[in-house]
Amino acid sequence: GQQVMQIPQYQHVQEGEDFTTYCNSSTTLSNIQWYKQRPGGHPVFLIQLVKSGEVKKQKRLTFQFGEAKKNSSLHITATQTTDVGTYFCAKDNSSYKLIFGSGTRLLVRP
Amino acid sequence: DAMVIQNPRYQVTQFGKPVTLSCSQTLNHNVMYWYQQKSSQAPKLLFHYYDKDFNNEADTPDNFQSRRPNTSFCFLDIRSPGLGDTAMYLCATSRGRVMSSPLHFGNGTRLTVT
Repeated sequence: GQQVMQIPQYQHVQEGEDFTTYCNSSTTLSNIQWYKQRPGGHPVFLIQLVKSGEVKKQKRLTFQFGEAKKNSSLHITATQTTDVGTYFCAKDNSSYKLIFGSGTRLLVRP
Repeated sequence: DAMVIQNPRYQVTQFGKPVTLSCSQTLNHNVMYWYQQKSSQAPKLLFHYYDKDFNNEADTPDNFQSRRPNTSFCFLDIRSPGLGDTAMYLCATSRGRVMSSPLHFGNGTRLTVT
């Protein structure tokens, strides 16, 4: 199937350390979205990447879209306890369906 | 504020007893989605509506049905819930006029089947 894999599944870091999650697709993506879900909460849209090689930043978060548009990454610099949650990438197809990756759960030790 | 609202927040039902979950939106979005999310898993798309056009995922059980009587409301009906249907059910909307517009999620309904 047209799945999107994310690694790692879990990441436990000390506050202040960096964190990166990777999203990989077997097919070329038209675009990719990233969401954050806090424990007990619902997914919240973070950003969308469309162009090959695109890099976007939101404060301590850096998002990249691969040159071949088959992979993407989210990097958090100097994690804080407020960054705790599960980060999902999500891909769409031509029918307005958004399919979520497997997610990376981030835990931050204070 | 424009929102996606799901009711109830928590629902407990007995094995085999029909249950309906509701979702409303004030965003006037064309597309409404239902996702199922089990513990420590990614949200799984069950179906979506583009306006009144219903789109079912191939692996969504027949047990799951949906209705969208108007733009603002969408319902998820589970005709004969099984224990494996215990999950968080998330409703989401998107504008739909532009492919890949972001999803706006409700707070979800946590369903427990006993």
